[in-house]
Amino acid sequence: DGGITQSPKYLFRKEGQNVTLSCEQNLNHDAMYWYRQDPGQGLRLIYYSQIVNDFQKGDIAEGYSVSREKKESFPLTVTSAQKNPTAFYLCASSLLDRANQPQHFGDGTRLSIL
Amino acid sequence: QQPVQSPQAVILREGEDAVINCSSSKALYSVHWYRQKHGEAPVFLMILLKGGEQKGHDKISASFNEKKQQSSLYLTASQLSYSGTYFCGTRGTSYDKVIFGPGTSLSVIP
Repeated sequence: DGGITQSPKYLFRKEGQNVTLSCEQNLNHDAMYWYRQDPGQGLRLIYYSQIVNDFQKGDIAEGYSVSREKKESFPLTVTSAQKNPTAFYLCASSLLDRANQPQHFGDGTRLSIL
Repeated sequence: QQPVQSPQAVILREGEDAVINCSSSKALYSVHWYRQKHGEAPVFLMILLKGGEQKGHDKISASFNEKKQQSSLYLTASQLSYSGTYFCGTRGTSYDKVIFGPGTSLSVIP
């Protein structure tokens, strides 16, 4: 079955530590996205990528970094510069972004501070 | 600009109907609806493109009024499985990213 796999499901970060959230898709989708979800605030876009080796900042990119070395993979690093990283992180993918294709979401990673 | 959703929360008894609204201060190209159950991934419901079309999905349908810059999601004869948070996402043009609203929490009780 095709889908999006996020790992780990739960992650804990110590002060000053960088952590990386994994996102893999086998849907052959071109576009991939990272969202942050906080209670009562909906989904806020962190980064997105429409093609390998290219990505753009979303609305809240500060303190985060991404890479897109393979079509299937779009890992997100939460750096120590992100002072309030506790949130639910969702990865999504879709066919070409301008075609109004639906986004398919992974099951999310819940990140907390130790 | 983030779309506005109303109501923020609603509680229904099984079999009752509900309407969730999504409005924007900007002109809209498309509206996207998703449902998310607690701790799970959002699930796609439907996309509406400008042109005022109405779409249906079992007992869940939606309309899009581009002049009023708003969309409404209609849930008829609600079932327990309809419980969750409903998000609308909007695009101003085909080049824009989808911007999601804050969500409407819907609870269906027996």
